[in-house]
Amino acid sequence: GESVGLHLPTLSVQEGDNSIINCAYSNSASDYFIWYKQESGKGPQFIIDIRSNMDKRQGQRVTVLLNKTVKHLSLQIAATQPGDSAVYFCAENKGNTGNQFYFGTGTSLTVIP
Amino acid sequence: NAGVTQTPKFRVLKTGQSMTLLCAQDMNHEYMYWYRQDPGMGLRLIHYSVGEGTTAKGEVPDGYNVSRLKKQNFLLGLESAAPSQTSVYFCASSGWGLAGGSYEQYFGPGTRLTVT
Repeated sequence: GESVGLHLPTLSVQEGDNSIINCAYSNSASDYFIWYKQESGKGPQFIIDIRSNMDKRQGQRVTVLLNKTVKHLSLQIAATQPGDSAVYFCAENKGNTGNQFYFGTGTSLTVIP
Repeated sequence: NAGVTQTPKFRVLKTGQSMTLLCAQDMNHEYMYWYRQDPGMGLRLIHYSVGEGTTAKGEVPDGYNVSRLKKQNFLLGLESAAPSQTSVYFCASSGWGLAGGSYEQYFGPGTRLTVT
């Protein structure tokens, strides 16, 4: 399944399928990006990050892809599990002081058993 | 380590009342942040601090004040609460993010505030 964060805020996938969550960022000067997972009633948790000098970074079952040309970020989750159900946010650091991040509106992922 | 803790977890205020939210971190982080999260929206930065004794405005600072008298604590104050400040408030902290390192922000569990 695939989503565009701003236009399709929900995504449903079958357990075991791969998920793709997309995010468009606003500032071409942004040089660092983080994906967060937020479960209901909890604070966001770090999933994976990527710097602007990279196109791809892999973690455990997750991959982040960065396309600076079109200012697009995606999070791929392999073999999606019920525990992956959550809201996913991308956050961009615009290279300013204070390590400030600007968050997208989020995509709600539901995994169907 | 407890990580980032917030008190209280829930609070109901009447319009015009004041309150202070407390955030504490035990990771010796330099940076601390206060965000608000409204339904169906991402987090918006209210204020942040780059070290003890410093504070700075974020995206939505109006109606809030902050203080960082101790490195481990970051306080968010509402002087005269308004219904528009009904939200879930998250505190976060992060380290320096040295070259090649992560700027990961560690978040607290949130404070749910309702202003009637």
